[in-house]
Amino acid sequence: QVQLQESGPGLVKPSETLSLTCTVSGGSISGHFWSWIRQPPGKGLEWIGYKYYSGSTNYNPSLKSRVTMSVDKSRNQFSLRLSSVTAADTAVYYCSRWLDISGPSPPTIWGQGTLVTVSS
Amino acid sequence: DIVMTQSPDSLAVSLGERATISCKSSQSLFYSSNNKNYLAWYQQKPGQPPKLLIYWASTREFGVPDRFSGSGSGTDFTLTISSLQAEDVAVFYCQQYYSSPFTFGPGTKVDTK
Repeated sequence: QVQLQESGPGLVKPSETLSLTCTVSGGSISGHFWSWIRQPPGKGLEWIGYKYYSGSTNYNPSLKSRVTMSVDKSRNQFSLRLSSVTAADTAVYYCSRWLDISGPSPPTIWGQGTLVTVSS
Repeated sequence: DIVMTQSPDSLAVSLGERATISCKSSQSLFYSSNNKNYLAWYQQKPGQPPKLLIYWASTREFGVPDRFSGSGSGTDFTLTISSLQAEDVAVFYCQQYYSSPFTFGPGTKVDTK
């Protein structure tokens, strides 16, 4: 079955760029919508944005100026870059795949998540 | 942004008893062109990612026990656990996917009494 695995640095310095990769195994990245969602320690879930495998993106306006999502079909990977990070960006970051291939739908497949701490 | 609220913040229910969680949205999640409510429910246990339970407000995800059910339309929704089992202890979130950003409720913690 399809599995997702997030990877990237667990510690990022303030003002630097957070970069994470989600590797998709057991299925193709093509044909699907992909999302990043984060969860500060002990808090609730925040939707960061989504990307369709072939192009369109949609980011949370609260993060839009700092977020970039991309897809590498050759590597079956989905990536997140978040610039100018502060301590408020400390969170577990999850990548996920939507239920439907045709349009807005909830994420049904999730990675285990990776904790990113912003600290000097 | 659509604001999602949940009540209660937490509840404790005896094993085998019913648990009911409410979720309200600041605007309607009903799309008349396809007659669907763009509302999902998730269960999250400590150290795990959220697990999708219910989508389109009332459709159970494959493999989810039938003691979990979702209901409601428009702006008011409910998740019901008909007979709480020990393994159901978790935090439950609702999420709207009607319009971006696809916001989540703050969560409801369910525990056993």
